[in-house]
Amino acid sequence: GAVVSQHPSWVICKSGTSVKIECRSLDFQATTMFWYRQFPKQSLMLMATSNEGSKATYEQGVEKDKFLINHASLTLSTLTVTSAHPEDSSFYICSARDFEGGYTGELFFGEGSRLTVL
Amino acid sequence: AQSVTQLGSHVSVSEGALVLLRCNYSSSVPPYLFWYVQYPNQGLQLLLKYTTGATLVKGINGFEAEFKKSETSFHLTKPSAHMSDAAEYFCAVRKGFGNEKLTFGTGTRLTIIP
Repeated sequence: GAVVSQHPSWVICKSGTSVKIECRSLDFQATTMFWYRQFPKQSLMLMATSNEGSKATYEQGVEKDKFLINHASLTLSTLTVTSAHPEDSSFYICSARDFEGGYTGELFFGEGSRLTVL
Repeated sequence: AQSVTQLGSHVSVSEGALVLLRCNYSSSVPPYLFWYVQYPNQGLQLLLKYTTGATLVKGINGFEAEFKKSETSFHLTKPSAHMSDAAEYFCAVRKGFGNEKLTFGTGTRLTIIP
C-alpha cells in the first residue's frame, strides 16, 4: 500500500522557536494532504488541508499564521509551528490520498510527529 | 454536519473473547465509514472501510464491521481477541466522494486481559 512518512518523529524545542515537520508520500503523488493534531488521550482534530501549488485551507479556529503549511511538490507538505509555546506541544499527524490509483476512499497516514515545547 | 460517537472510551476483554467496539454516526448524506487503529506513538492504520455495497465489511487482523443504516451504527467486532489487538481504535466518517475530510470519534482504548 501507499506509504506516508513524517520527519522528525520526535522534536523538542525551546519556547519562541519555530519547528518544521515534513510529510512525504514515498511511492505516490499526493495533490492533497491533511494535517491533524492529537492531544493526549484524545481524538484527531483536522487542522488544515494542504493543496499542492496553492494555499492551504485551514479549519475554523486554527491560526494560519501560527501553523504555516507549504505543499511545494506532489510528494512533500510541510507544517511549520512558528514561535512555538508549551501549549503547542502535541502529536501532529499528516495524511494523504493516492489519487493515481483511482478513488479508493482511503487516506494513508504518517507515523506522526511528537512536538514538545519547553 | 457529520459526527461520530464511540461508546466507551475504554474496553477490556479477555484474550480469546469477543471484541465489540461501538460506533454511531450522524450524517446528512450517505456516509463513508472507517475504522482505524493506532498503536502508541504511531500514526493510524486503516482496519476496514465501508463506502457502498455489502454492508458487512471485513478488514485486516480478523476484524469486521457491519453498516446498519437504520441504527446509524458501524460497530467493530472480532470473534477472538489477541494480545496484539491492544491499541486505540478510532471510528471516522466522511461525507462521501468529493469530500475527503474525516471526522473522528473520540477513540476507544482496547485492553486485552491475559
